Amino acid sequence: DAKTTQPPSMDCAEGRAANLPCNHSTISGNEYVYWYRQIHSQGPQYIIHGLKNNETNEMASLIITEDRKSSTLILPHATLRDTAVYYCIVSNQGGKLIFGQGTELSVKP
Amino acid sequence: ETGVTQTPRHLVMGMTNKKSLKCEQHLGHNAMYWYKQSAKKPLELMFVYSLEERVENNSVPSRFSPECPNSSHLFLHLHTLQPEDSALYLCASSQAPHSNQPQHFGDGTRLSIL
Repeated sequence: DAKTTQPPSMDCAEGRAANLPCNHSTISGNEYVYWYRQIHSQGPQYIIHGLKNNETNEMASLIITEDRKSSTLILPHATLRDTAVYYCIVSNQGGKLIFGQGTELSVKP
Repeated sequence: ETGVTQTPRHLVMGMTNKKSLKCEQHLGHNAMYWYKQSAKKPLELMFVYSLEERVENNSVPSRFSPECPNSSHLFLHLHTLQPEDSALYLCASSQAPHSNQPQHFGDGTRLSIL
């Protein structure tokens, strides 16, 4: 599976959009991009995934570049409850996820 | 509510005890997983079950013994654990291990070995 690179930490003001980047320059054609988050003392929560088209659901939007070498997770109106570690994972199987260190997002009032 | 329930949420045990962790999923999935998350470390995949058959065992010591009696239930039997086994143990499920559908996780069992 391709590796991903994420910034270790980010801050975001409450009510603003949080844009979390992920680089996956060695992604192969059949690999999806998955995003999860883990709030302290809870299990990872699935957010969204996509192959090459942009995706949106009730939680977030996923923007994948045309060359698929990077993506951005967008939380449109961040709240304090969005403070968590966010993981970007690329895999050709939803059942084979390799978690890295992720990005620790702090949403501040 | 993720549809994956783990019990107990917390467990403290001595090194000579035997205990079991339980996971139940209400999502109609056919694959279930055990992960270990130690402090300050990424999640480590331990076991994968597909239709009650173990399909992956990532070099996990034999003091951890999984059991999958049906596609909705998964157990992790523990015996003679070591202090370094203290961690958060997470269960997950998905439609099938080889599909692109995501896994859904429980909130884990926080295990402390005395």
